[in-house]
Amino acid sequence: QKEVEQDPGPLSVPEGAIVSLNCTYSNSAFQYFMWYRQYSRKGPELLMYTYSSGNKEDGRFTAQVDKSSKYISLFIRDSQPSDSATYLCAMSVIVPGYSTLTFGKGTMLLVSP
Amino acid sequence: DSGVTQTPKHLITATGQRVTLRCSPRSGDLSVYWYQQSLDQGLQFLIQYYNGEERAKGNILERFSAQQFPDLHSELNLSSLELGDSALYFCASSPQGSDTQYFGPGTRLTVL
Repeated sequence: QKEVEQDPGPLSVPEGAIVSLNCTYSNSAFQYFMWYRQYSRKGPELLMYTYSSGNKEDGRFTAQVDKSSKYISLFIRDSQPSDSATYLCAMSVIVPGYSTLTFGKGTMLLVSP
Repeated sequence: DSGVTQTPKHLITATGQRVTLRCSPRSGDLSVYWYQQSLDQGLQFLIQYYNGEERAKGNILERFSAQQFPDLHSELNLSSLELGDSALYFCASSPQGSDTQYFGPGTRLTVL
């Protein structure tokens, strides 16, 4: 079993839809969770990060972490064509200064006008 | 723009050759990380440097090596290149005391 599992998609939605992107993980020691957005052939861009279970909101984006189920989600409200990209979840064990990230393979999102 | 710079943007070379990729971290960031991204493997952590010293190693091949210089820029050296080394190579940096990583635009390596 891979440490981080993420459905590769593609996930196709119409503009304005609510999008749900998900990752599951197997390492219960993971404590730090991030979502990155990557446009084609560009560097990953940090969207959100959280240390705790529960929800964290930033504009149209909400990150949700359920440590008991080892499941994290990213919700995008009012999706826009400009949201079309690959979304990568990443997580790490917290060892200050020594933490390395384990990434999911990414979910490709396509938002059509 | 994350503030992390990488050169060159593209590199085309032949099998058996050696190349050097360069990364400049964000101003003030002491940690530099190198990643390889291929279509089938996703984003794979290679190695981390902190203030000039190697701090963590991931799935880095023995043919690959890296270093971080006193001005904090880093170089990733890839030698005896094989076709399978063709990939995007990303550098990331993080501020002291933080685990948040900021990625550069990447170097696309093509080995023919």
